[in-house]
Amino acid sequence: AQKITQTQPGMFVQEKEAVTLDCTYDTSDQSYGLFWYKQPSSGEMIFLIYQGSYDEQNATEGRYSLNFQKARKSANLVISASQLGDSAMYFCAMREGQGNQFYFGTGTSLTVIP
Amino acid sequence: NAGVTQTPKFQVLKTGQSMTLQCAQDMNHEYMSWYRQDPGMGLRLIHYSVGAGITDQGEVPNGYNVSRSTTEDFPLRLLSAAPSQTSVYFCASSYSYYGSQPQHFGDGTRLSIL
Repeated sequence: AQKITQTQPGMFVQEKEAVTLDCTYDTSDQSYGLFWYKQPSSGEMIFLIYQGSYDEQNATEGRYSLNFQKARKSANLVISASQLGDSAMYFCAMREGQGNQFYFGTGTSLTVIP
Repeated sequence: NAGVTQTPKFQVLKTGQSMTLQCAQDMNHEYMSWYRQDPGMGLRLIHYSVGAGITDQGEVPNGYNVSRSTTEDFPLRLLSAAPSQTSVYFCASSYSYYGSQPQHFGDGTRLSIL
């Protein structure tokens, strides 16, 4: 079974609007961490936001927030007030508490339309 | 502040050739890892290391070797290149392999096997 599932291969959003990128995960560990990364067309991987499994509050970093629903095993990324520079691939990743591996989803390509 | 440095950035090999992809970090990170990124498949873990002298296999280790003789360096060796190893390779490091520490990525190596 896939550890991380991103079901939206491509998304479009109008500039200045908000967009939600979906991520579901699969783990039996109680302790785990969830990460989102951005990969622009230039290719580098940029860390955006982190959510720990024991964190009671949803993580926020500037225009990025993470909608963490533990019972549903989902960790959706919300980007508010989209900008043209937000056009990129976005990857959800998980680190399980009992292992030393990070698992990545297949990514969502976001295009911001002027 | 160099971060994670990968060399070379581009490489073309012939089937059967061997080569080493270099990765160095100057952040005194314990955890280092190698991923390959293929279209539609996200990032897949090849090998990882939790400290000098300690390495382990990830999801797709076949055809690759690693070693970690120092904290700073984590080279990836292709023993006998095959066209299926054409990919973009990323090296990443983090302070530890647990907790909220995100991985810091190098800029990637684009490898083509003819």
